[in-house]
Amino acid sequence: KNQVEQSPQSLIILEGKNCTLQCNYTVSPFSNLRWYKQDTGRGPVSLTIMTFSENTKSNGRYTATLDADTKQSSLHITASQLSDSASYICVVRGGGADGLTFGKGTHLIIQP
Amino acid sequence: DSGVTQTPKHLITATGQRVTLRCSPRSGDLSVYWYQQSLDQGLQFLIQYYNGEERAKGNILERFSAQQFPDLHSELNLSSLELGDSALYFCASSVGAGIVLETQYFGPGTRLLVL
Repeated sequence: KNQVEQSPQSLIILEGKNCTLQCNYTVSPFSNLRWYKQDTGRGPVSLTIMTFSENTKSNGRYTATLDADTKQSSLHITASQLSDSASYICVVRGGGADGLTFGKGTHLIIQP
Repeated sequence: DSGVTQTPKHLITATGQRVTLRCSPRSGDLSVYWYQQSLDQGLQFLIQYYNGEERAKGNILERFSAQQFPDLHSELNLSSLELGDSALYFCASSVGAGIVLETQYFGPGTRLLVL
């Protein structure tokens, strides 16, 4: 069964600090991996999309990494801001017709 | 604003009832995706339509059905509602069929409460 596991479940850090969120997946075959940011009560917004041949991709202060061999990804947030408070969801697309598999997300809180 | 619209924003109904959620994709997008998000399950992919045809199916219950119309708007029909169907229902759209590297744009969601 395709699964995406994210850790930690929740995280609290001080404004200005860096943090790293983890994503492990068992989706096979693998097509691509996405990170989304979801503010409370709103729809997710795409941050990055990576294929198996890409091992890093940046979007401003967000940098995602992918290790297709170990089936792990991480999202690093640099110099966090209060507006980074949100849930970060890892999503893996397999090669089959069953669409996307979502992780349950990491709930990140940035404290001033 | 993603350009994806969903109506209604909120819906309160009783168990056993049937409701219809509506989604209009971004202009030019041919794919529409439906997702369910509950507190304990996270986002669950339900179904995808591409240019009027069903493209991919996820964890959609038999009590649920969807369709995409010629003008590309989509409706998600939920019937014989149960308390556990209470959730946020998101619609997303993308330009193509979604197999290649495409960004999905999510709507604001419909919050369904079944009493």
